[in-house]
Order: sequence, then structure tokens, then C-alpha cells
Amino acid sequence: GAVVSQHPSRVICKSGTSVKIECRSLDFQATTMFWYRQFPKKSLMLMATSNEGSKATYEQGVEKDKFLINHASLTLSTLTVTSAHPEDSSFYICSARTSGRADEQYFGPGTRLTVT
Amino acid sequence: AQSVSQHNHHVILSEAASLELGCNYSYGGTVNLFWYVQYPGQHLQLLLKYFSGDPLVKGIKGFEAEFIKSKFSFNLRKPSVQWSDTAEYFCAVNVAGAGSYQLTFGKGTKLSVIP
Repeated sequence: GAVVSQHPSRVICKSGTSVKIECRSLDFQATTMFWYRQFPKKSLMLMATSNEGSKATYEQGVEKDKFLINHASLTLSTLTVTSAHPEDSSFYICSARTSGRADEQYFGPGTRLTVT
Repeated sequence: AQSVSQHNHHVILSEAASLELGCNYSYGGTVNLFWYVQYPGQHLQLLLKYFSGDPLVKGIKGFEAEFIKSKFSFNLRKPSVQWSDTAEYFCAVNVAGAGSYQLTFGKGTKLSVIP
């Protein structure tokens, strides 16, 4: 149980375009989803926290107009990178928690974004 | 704000060697502590966690970790590693009772086990 999927696993887009990444909890309802960015040889950096049906809370330094997060249902959150630039190339990981197991997060496999 | 430091960037061991990966955190209050593992090409998986109680926590695959409050440490151990333990290991904390459940991660330690 507690499986989180992400789609796509890899995406290449041109500079200036937008790309949407989906995060789904497959067998549980995710009251909260988190979006992380992982840099090479560095840790996961929390970008934002989203609760179903409400606006996402962004971490300091993360542009909310660039990284649009939508958590429309208890099993789906999306991250849209708008007007992508090469410096947005990274590995994006989502995680989800359920109210039944409050302090555990279940991670998706990640999405590798390359902006050319 | 809390922070997590992992002392070793890359550890190389032979099979059957013992493992200890260091993790220290900085935060003045009560925290929950986690170790996650990321096998090559796979997603992060929870190895073990500490919320309260016995400071020696046993996790999956023979791993354990000990919370030493006075040292702000939560080191991960395994008495005898296997080739299949080759992975990246992340220590993480969140603030207990904060209601945010946000995790702060260390930079990770890459473990390479040589057959």
C-alpha cells in the first residue's frame, strides 16, 4: 500500500514553454502533498506544501507564479513549470501523506525535467 | 529553522562490513527523525523513523538507528552490509506537533558496497 506515482518520469521541453507534472496517490487519500526539487549531489529541497482544496504554501525563494501547484482532489496534485528556463532543469519529486499516518510521507519516483 | 547534516558524502564498504552513517540535526525543540533510502533508479523509501520512546529504533532490512538527544544525533547502523544495500541514504527531520509535517533533509550519503 501507500503508492505514489508521478507522470511523466522524464520530460524535455523547450525554453519558454510550460510543462505539467502529475502526482497521484494510488491507494490512499492524500490530505497533503509536498513538492521537492533535488539537485545533483544535494539534498531534496522542499518547494511547496499543498492541501486538497486550498492554495499551496510555498517555501521562501520559490516563485509561486512560476511553479503553479494545484491539488484538486485527494489523489492528485499537479506542478506546472511555466515559461521554463534551462535553470529549471532538475529532478522534481512529490510526496504525500494521509491523515491516518500523520508523520509519514510516501514518495513518488520523481520526474526528470530538462529544458533546452 | 531546523537543519540536518550528514557527515559523509560517499562511503565505500566491502560486503559484510559494518556500517554507521552519521546524522546530526539542529533544532531546539522536539523533532521526529527519519532515515530514507533511495536505491538506484527508484524512489525514496522509508527505512525507519523515531517519534518517541525507545531511542534505539529498528527498521527494515536489518537497519537500526539510535537517537541521542544530548548529541542531536540519529546515526544509522547495520552490522553487516550487502551489495544490495548500495544506495543513497537520507536523514530527515520534522518538527513534532507542528502540524505542517514538512521534512528537512540532509544532503544524503551515497553508500557503495563492493562484492
